[in-house]
Amino acid sequence: GAVVSQHPSRVICKSGTSVKIECRSLDFQATTMFWYRQFPKKSLMLMATSNEGSKATYEQGVEKDKFLINHASLTLSTLTVTSAHPEDSSFYICSAPTGPGLGNTIYFGEGSWLTVV
Amino acid sequence: DAKTTQPPSMDCAEGRAANLPCNHSTISGNEYVYWYRQIHSQGPQYIIHGLKNNETNEMASLIITEDRKSSTLILPHATLRDTAVYYCIVRVAASGSRLTFGEGTQLTVNP
Repeated sequence: GAVVSQHPSRVICKSGTSVKIECRSLDFQATTMFWYRQFPKKSLMLMATSNEGSKATYEQGVEKDKFLINHASLTLSTLTVTSAHPEDSSFYICSAPTGPGLGNTIYFGEGSWLTVV
Repeated sequence: DAKTTQPPSMDCAEGRAANLPCNHSTISGNEYVYWYRQIHSQGPQYIIHGLKNNETNEMASLIITEDRKSSTLILPHATLRDTAVYYCIVRVAASGSRLTFGEGTQLTVNP
């Protein structure tokens, strides 16, 4: 079945550095993908919509210069956390719909744990 | 957005059916009900979705009331591995594929 894959699953980086997380749709194409973050014991919060071939759209309160999103192909979106700080440590999750209609399934990746030290 | 209401936690005995309720009284006619679950430290796993008819797949059954104001996810024979947070989400036309997660129901399956 349809699968969304993320890489890396876990990453540790130093404060001030940047880290890139990849999200791939493995057997379907996705013109849009979505990035969420989740803090411990909290629910998922939508950060941004990744649009293939155009700029990402960010939810209110999300810094677009800090969380760079690139959707270079129909199967790959990347999230780059720039100048990372310890407060950026979180679980980052992507999703992709199999089609545009409301009845098409949306699949999520396995998630990526980011720890900034 | 159509909001959903779920109990914060439920318990179920292993081997018994787990019935997870969800209220979505403001749902509109073309909006689907989706169910996901999240096991600790993993991304949400798709379970099932429906519009108005009851749905069944290899994981679960989804029962939607005739007025569509509520639904129930049924895991027919719960196992310990079904322990997870279960999210009921209404997919809103205006939001497309942007899903809004509530707090979900923590289901604990006990041996």
